[in-house]
Amino acid sequence: AQSVTQLDSQVPVFEEAPVELRCNYSSSVSVYLFWYVQYPNQGLQLLLKYLSGSTLVESINGFEAEFNKSQTSFHLRKPSVHISDTAEYFCAVSDLTGANNLFFGTGTRLTVIP
Amino acid sequence: DTAVSQTPKYLVTQMGNDKSIKCEQNLGHDTMYWYKQDSKKFLKIMFSYNNKELIINETVPNRFSPKSPDKAHLNLHINSLELGDSAVYFCASSRWTGGGTGELFFGEGSRLTVL
Repeated sequence: AQSVTQLDSQVPVFEEAPVELRCNYSSSVSVYLFWYVQYPNQGLQLLLKYLSGSTLVESINGFEAEFNKSQTSFHLRKPSVHISDTAEYFCAVSDLTGANNLFFGTGTRLTVIP
Repeated sequence: DTAVSQTPKYLVTQMGNDKSIKCEQNLGHDTMYWYKQDSKKFLKIMFSYNNKELIINETVPNRFSPKSPDKAHLNLHINSLELGDSAVYFCASSRWTGGGTGELFFGEGSRLTVL
């Protein structure tokens, strides 16, 4: 089975500053990797995913994540955060059979300070 | 139209009662799930159904019983509610292809408070 570790439970950052949310995974097989975002009082939404190909993946709102197989990491970054990025971010991993084997990390609360 | 909708959004009830949460998806997906999110935001899968058939049944008390009348609906019934059942319950759906990408579409959650 796979597992995910999100090292930081809370990350406060000033508006327009860069941010990195860390995610490490453990798996004995090939994986898909995901970042989901949960805004207050809402369900989770897919932010970006790595399935295959380029190890750098991007979202439409400026986030990016890089799959690093040797370090078993999938850290999420944004060069300049906005107030609206305040949310809970979940890293998730699945094996190649897909959604039925999706494991979530414990989440990182990103708080953007004006 | 909301892709995955759950009702009710909030539910406050007494210990020992029985309650249900309903979920519907209009995405044409074959697989639906129930997740429980505890007070520390930890998400844990409870059940998974594919085309009305139970696929995953994690270690969940048998007071929890999912029901899938068709592939667009997955309801969760909870008997004899306990304080520890207080949580946010999320319904989700995905395509089932065997080699699927694992992308889930979540509802907005149902916050259950047991007093």
